[in-house]
Amino acid sequence: DVKVTQSSRYLVKRTGEKVFLECVQDMDHENMFWYRQDPGLGLRLIYFSYDVKMKEKGDIPEGYSVSREKKERFSLILESASTNQTSMYLCASSFSKIFYHYTGELFFGEGSRLTVL
Amino acid sequence: GENVEQHPSTLSVQEGDSAVIKCTYSDSASNYFPWYKQELGKRPQLIIDIRSNVGEKKDQRIAVTLNKTAKHFSLHITETQPEDSAVYFCAASRMNTGFQKLVFGTGTRLLVSP
Repeated sequence: DVKVTQSSRYLVKRTGEKVFLECVQDMDHENMFWYRQDPGLGLRLIYFSYDVKMKEKGDIPEGYSVSREKKERFSLILESASTNQTSMYLCASSFSKIFYHYTGELFFGEGSRLTVL
Repeated sequence: GENVEQHPSTLSVQEGDSAVIKCTYSDSASNYFPWYKQELGKRPQLIIDIRSNVGEKKDQRIAVTLNKTAKHFSLHITETQPEDSAVYFCAASRMNTGFQKLVFGTGTRLLVSP
């Protein structure tokens, strides 16, 4: 059973604080993603990574950065949190297309609800 | 880039009725269309997907249809049950590129009343 674990379910931070959201997957997936979920806006891609130390901007990367030092771990960083970054953050992972067991399925974590005051 | 629109945003049905959720996409090169279900407080999970080389796919009470010409696809749930209550997201992407980037719709909240 695939497991994607996000370190914190709920966080409350103050404006200007640096915030780290951690995500770990145990299925040896190559691809990892960070999405932001807001009511009425669906799931929007912030950043993704298809290999260790590789990262690509998604649709809304402003105000965020990421780090992938190990294959199983993908971190989302808010350098200086702002109130408009209050949201639910979802991490996901998937196999790479180059492997035979690629199905296209994304496996999501439970989410981290961040409130910035 | 790809843009996916999803309707309706909310849908209320009686148990046993059918429910239909519709999505349109903009990129004619998109060829993979999954549907995810997110129950309250839970993670989104894939429930069904369709590739552009087929027009319809069924899995028990759920089915997805695809109209490539019109660039729209739909999720059909028959004989709805209270446990079908959730938020449903459609998505689209190109599977033929080296890396798949899913673009999601804005979600439909389905409420099934007993």
